[in-house]
Amino acid sequence: DIQLTQSPSSLSASVGDRVTITCRASQGVSNSLAWYQQKPGKAPKLLLYATSRLESGVPSRFSGSGSGTDYTLTISSLQPEDFATYYCQQYYRTPRYTFGQGTKLEIK
Amino acid sequence: EVHLLESGGDLVQPGGSLRLSCAASGFSFSSNAMSWVRQAPGRALEWVSTIFVGGTPYYADSVEGRFTISRDNSKNTLYLQMTSLRAEDTALYYCAKDRRAGPPDSWGQGTLVTVSS
Repeated sequence: DIQLTQSPSSLSASVGDRVTITCRASQGVSNSLAWYQQKPGKAPKLLLYATSRLESGVPSRFSGSGSGTDYTLTISSLQPEDFATYYCQQYYRTPRYTFGQGTKLEIK
Repeated sequence: EVHLLESGGDLVQPGGSLRLSCAASGFSFSSNAMSWVRQAPGRALEWVSTIFVGGTPYYADSVEGRFTISRDNSKNTLYLQMTSLRAEDTALYYCAKDRRAGPPDSWGQGTLVTVSS
């Protein structure tokens, strides 16, 4: 199985900050990488897929980049509603998806 | 609008069985692969099983041989039959619609399975 390692595991930031979360795969996933946002008590919400494609309705302050084994999610200017847990997911080995361990983004 | 509604979660003893259901609406159910993903309390998301349009099932190693995924396209419903349940199967089970050649793009709100004596 492909393992995904996110860093950091938790992050404190302020409204307006630029934030970057990293996801490293144990082997190349050929840009088949998605990012989800999950708020407490809610289902995950797809933010980006194919590394950098923004899901419909997702604000443009979210962006993704990367290739091979290393990928990043960037939030350009944090808004109050962005404080949540973020997961990366590979679907290169569809349907044997794997998820990262999550990054909890908290208000500083 | 895509709507996925899971049901069937309950408290069950170790070794017991349970069947989860997911009622789908708002899209062409028969044309989409569907998945189950679970999340143990305070833990990360974990893929459990997927069923393709043609009915081919796939399972995580942790549930292989104990869980069975199925679908009834006439009822727009996805199922997960769970047997030989263990404490480590305790989790919120989400039903998800898979994007064609892509990741799950719509999720239900989940149904809670608790395995405990």
